[in-house]
Amino acid sequence: QQQVKQSPQSLIVQKGGISIINCAYENTAFDYFPWYQQFPGKGPALLIAIRPDVSEKKEGRFTISFNKSAKQFSLHIMDSQPGDSATYFCAASRDAGNMLTFGGGTRLMVKP
Amino acid sequence: GAGVSQTPSNKVTEKGKYVELRCDPISGHTALYWYRQSLGQGPEFLIYFQGTGAADDSGLPNDRFFAVRPEGSVSTLKIQRTERGDSAVYLCASSLSVAGPAYEQYFGPGTRLTVT
Repeated sequence: QQQVKQSPQSLIVQKGGISIINCAYENTAFDYFPWYQQFPGKGPALLIAIRPDVSEKKEGRFTISFNKSAKQFSLHIMDSQPGDSATYFCAASRDAGNMLTFGGGTRLMVKP
Repeated sequence: GAGVSQTPSNKVTEKGKYVELRCDPISGHTALYWYRQSLGQGPEFLIYFQGTGAADDSGLPNDRFFAVRPEGSVSTLKIQRTERGDSAVYLCASSLSVAGPAYEQYFGPGTRLTVT
């Protein structure tokens, strides 16, 4: 059972544009939602994370929007740069230190 | 500071052989996690340790997979009688704790296992 569904699978954005990646989850017990960035040949790196008690969290050019009633959350990358080209994974867990359930990933390409 | 390290970075083995994959967590991190990432997919949880004990091993696919963390630091993932379907990148992550503000998981670069 895929508990975290991520879309789109791939995304092409022009430099300076906004990249938007969406995730939906099924398990209402999830209470920690991180986003990871992964470059080829590297492990995932934590970008930003949110708890369900807030609807939005912003760190630099990265923003998470969270909709608890819809069981959806999204990552917005403002002023996208070619260096942002990577695969992005959303994830969720119950009790933050617990195991992470990952989405299928979104391959982002930012064109110069 | 030093991040999570994993050795070897690549491992090629023949079907039926035994392999061991090693993970060195960030110094002082009490929790350690193993995930498996198949090509083009998100990581899938295998097992996690809090200290020396396995707190949750529900993700291990079958009894050919086993992991240990005898001294609460380095962990070894062991796979017996390897099958071609075991080919994947095996990722290790660690976190300072499993509660409070320091639960973020930091990943190593992974070990790419290829079973021929």
